[in-house]
Amino acid sequence: QSVLTQPPSASGTPGQRVTISCSGSSSNIESNYVYWYQQLPGTAPKLLIYRNNQRPSGVPDRFSGSKSGTSASLAISGLRSEDEADYYCAAWDDSLSGPVFGGGTKLTVL
Amino acid sequence: QVQLQQWGAGLLKPSETLSLTCAVYGGSFSGYYWTWIRQPPGKGLEWIGEINHSGSTNYNPSLKSRVNISIDTSKNQFSLKLSSVTAADTAVYYCARGSVPGTPFWVAWGQGTLVTVSS
Repeated sequence: QSVLTQPPSASGTPGQRVTISCSGSSSNIESNYVYWYQQLPGTAPKLLIYRNNQRPSGVPDRFSGSKSGTSASLAISGLRSEDEADYYCAAWDDSLSGPVFGGGTKLTVL
Repeated sequence: QVQLQQWGAGLLKPSETLSLTCAVYGGSFSGYYWTWIRQPPGKGLEWIGEINHSGSTNYNPSLKSRVNISIDTSKNQFSLKLSSVTAADTAVYYCARGSVPGTPFWVAWGQGTLVTVSS
């Protein structure tokens, strides 16, 4: 059981915009930054979004993050086949005194 | 461009101690928090703990009694030991570089090591 809650799956067709939600609580998302990771099959996670809505260099601006209260979202616009991957949200949790993750969302590009 | 390369035993018996090492190439070793994260097969990620170049550590409270993370600054390496393993510890273990203590801000990752615990 993950501390942060994500939908197990999401899907879209090429060119579409999809969003992935991440729900938490006052001890994690509401009071701390949210991070998003993309994990392609058989590879290590890759940082996609940091500090709620910042993109590391090299991450396309098709990826964007937002946060409101105890929830956060990752949006992917102009969906491409190579975006098919697992996506994880993460945040520091004040109660647990450590980083916590969502259970991951498997994105399928139809 | 920093690179992390990790290694260690991939098959353990219950009650044994898991031991993994991660070497850091091509970047500064000081000023960062060196982290271990694991992922059970088909499941999500779990933070294990971290260490800085001074040897200061932070551990996941749920694993703290069994975890030890150490650092060898002369070799730019850090290591993970997890004692008394069970099947529940079967996972891919990753090392990673963190910029802020405890924050899930990991830009550089190792390739991952699958550790299987089975009798």
